[in-house]
Amino acid sequence: KAGVTQTPRYLIKTRGQQVTLSCSPISGHRSVSWYQQTPGQGLQFLFEYFSETQRNKGNFPGRFSGRQFSNSRSEMNVSTLELGDSALYLCASSPRTGFGEQYFGPGTRLTVT
Amino acid sequence: GIQVEQSPPDLILQEGANSTLRCNFSDSVNNLQWFHQNPWGQLINLFYIPSGTKQNGRLSATTVATERYSLLYISSSQTTDSGVYFCAGEFGNEKLTFGTGTRLTIIP
Repeated sequence: KAGVTQTPRYLIKTRGQQVTLSCSPISGHRSVSWYQQTPGQGLQFLFEYFSETQRNKGNFPGRFSGRQFSNSRSEMNVSTLELGDSALYLCASSPRTGFGEQYFGPGTRLTVT
Repeated sequence: GIQVEQSPPDLILQEGANSTLRCNFSDSVNNLQWFHQNPWGQLINLFYIPSGTKQNGRLSATTVATERYSLLYISSSQTTDSGVYFCAGEFGNEKLTFGTGTRLTIIP
């Protein structure tokens, strides 16, 4: 089976812009979770989608949003980018909700200037 | 809030050595996972281990949920084992909380 794929792999944006990241899960996996990794805060949970519904959300402002499509692919959007949004954004897929085994993609490294 | 602490924070070992990484958590855990993040940032799932012991080749893990800790054992270390090891758990709040990580460096 193909693994989790994320696009783009690298991105440079300017403060105030918005960005959309994409994640394609392992075939058959219906749960997709997103995480932000920074040197200061470590790995933090953003949100989880299952069957096109957001099941839960981490402690992030409303500028961070996401959605899931009927084929389980997911997108994450960050509006009005801030310098502090520079991070590695990781998505993970799982065959079931409730944080079963998480299989991670390679990540998207976002730099905000 | 929930705390997931890992020790040691850094570990440098010679190739062939054995190591034990520890993960302590402050609340009851519904599931516990171990991950390896390689130098390129890829997170690899090592174990899904809410309780008990599992082994996979040179790696094994034990979670004692009642005492709120988990251990990851690496035997006969290889340079490819280098990277950061994270534990993560779901503590009834429907969020996956990650530990602070242990950075392992294996010297040839």
